[in-house]
Amino acid sequence: GAGVSQSPSNKVTEKGKDVELRCDPISGHTALYWYRQSLGQGLEFLIYFQGNSAPDKSGLPSDRFSAERTGGSVSTLTIQRTQQEDSAVYLCASSLGQGNRYGYEQYFGPGTRLTVT
Amino acid sequence: TQLLEQSPQFLSIQEGENLTVYCNSSSVFSSLQWYRQEPGEGPVLLVTVVTGGEVKKLKRLTFQFGDARKDSSLHITAAQPGDTGLYLCAGASSGTYKYIFGTGTRLKVLA
Repeated sequence: GAGVSQSPSNKVTEKGKDVELRCDPISGHTALYWYRQSLGQGLEFLIYFQGNSAPDKSGLPSDRFSAERTGGSVSTLTIQRTQQEDSAVYLCASSLGQGNRYGYEQYFGPGTRLTVT
Repeated sequence: TQLLEQSPQFLSIQEGENLTVYCNSSSVFSSLQWYRQEPGEGPVLLVTVVTGGEVKKLKRLTFQFGDARKDSSLHITAAQPGDTGLYLCAGASSGTYKYIFGTGTRLKVLA
């Protein structure tokens, strides 16, 4: 069974350019998260999608960041006019979406390492 | 703002030693998870605890949730090189999908 996949695995871009990061969640998972992990740090919540509901964008650090999820499956995180402080690993996770008494079990992809030069 | 602080930040030990990692907050969580992350990979869920005082064991790993559900610990007995990685705790409030992640403990077990 396929897990969460992300592409590209590594991306080097020049400051000021736009980048798109892709996430393919586990089939059947209705919930999808994006996180950012800076070097040696924990995970910073960016955005959450659940089915056809409006996404929770409360974690997006600036209006240069946006994300969409087409057809309830694949998601794309777009960073416009990249800055050096955007350099980090961007992780995607999916879950069944319906939490239970144990909360939400998230399955993570391997991440995309973004380097802005 | 909810915060989860982990200690220690770094830990380097010899194979066979025991260790404990702590995850502390001033906030109450209804669900607290522990993950292990290896280089180049995403975090992998190890355990979820939801009841104050709860203890869960996973082979050589013992997880405890504080009575007040504000803190948690992870104890590893007889550590092995395969335990090397970044350990992350994550907490969520009741009914929410949004998890707050701790700063992580980077463990290195030397053979």
